[in-house]
Amino acid sequence: AQSVTQLDSHVSVSEGTPVLLRCNYSSSYSPSLFWYVQHPNKGLQLLLKYTSAATLVKGINGFEAEFKKSETSFHLTKPSAHMSDAAEYFCVVSPTYSSASKIIFGSGTRLSIRP
Amino acid sequence: NAGVTQTPKFQVLKTGQSMTLQCAQDMNHEYMSWYRQDPGMGLRLIHYSVGAGITDQGEVPNGYNVSRSTTEDFPLRLLSAAPSQTSVYFCASSYGNRAAKGYYEQYFGPGTRLTVT
Repeated sequence: AQSVTQLDSHVSVSEGTPVLLRCNYSSSYSPSLFWYVQHPNKGLQLLLKYTSAATLVKGINGFEAEFKKSETSFHLTKPSAHMSDAAEYFCVVSPTYSSASKIIFGSGTRLSIRP
Repeated sequence: NAGVTQTPKFQVLKTGQSMTLQCAQDMNHEYMSWYRQDPGMGLRLIHYSVGAGITDQGEVPNGYNVSRSTTEDFPLRLLSAAPSQTSVYFCASSYGNRAAKGYYEQYFGPGTRLTVT
């Protein structure tokens, strides 16, 4: 069985400070992990993905995430927040080489940026 | 490439009415899916298709039908709309398992915001 938990429903940071969005997962299989971003009234856009290559993954807009198997975590970070980062972020898990129906979305974390 | 397109962007229905949400992609992706997004619940899979002529149910299929007659199009039909189907609907596509090396990087449409009164 698979599951994904985003530990914070809402995170608020000041512009220029670091961002940390937390994601824990559970998977019986070797997982692929993704972070997507959704700006208001828009579709979802892929930020980055982990597919069993390097455990530190770099994405677009300065975001990165580290796959930690021992902690079953895939937290998203950015060194310095920008106002344009305000959005909803989704952590997604799916088992590699398995049915697409087993893609599981987290419930989302809303990121707010204070001026 | 237009990517994944969805129409309409907004729709209001009365209970019991039927309608079709359109989805098209121009990336020759094998896999297409429909999700609904409700506050605090992430995205939940309604139906998906791994290629033309092949569809299957996801987590919340009741009240919805799909068909996949071409690679490009994957319409979602609401048979008799209910207030519980008020939601934002997203269509997504990706390369299939073989081409994608075992994982699914999905491309999403802009969504259809549906209200059922």
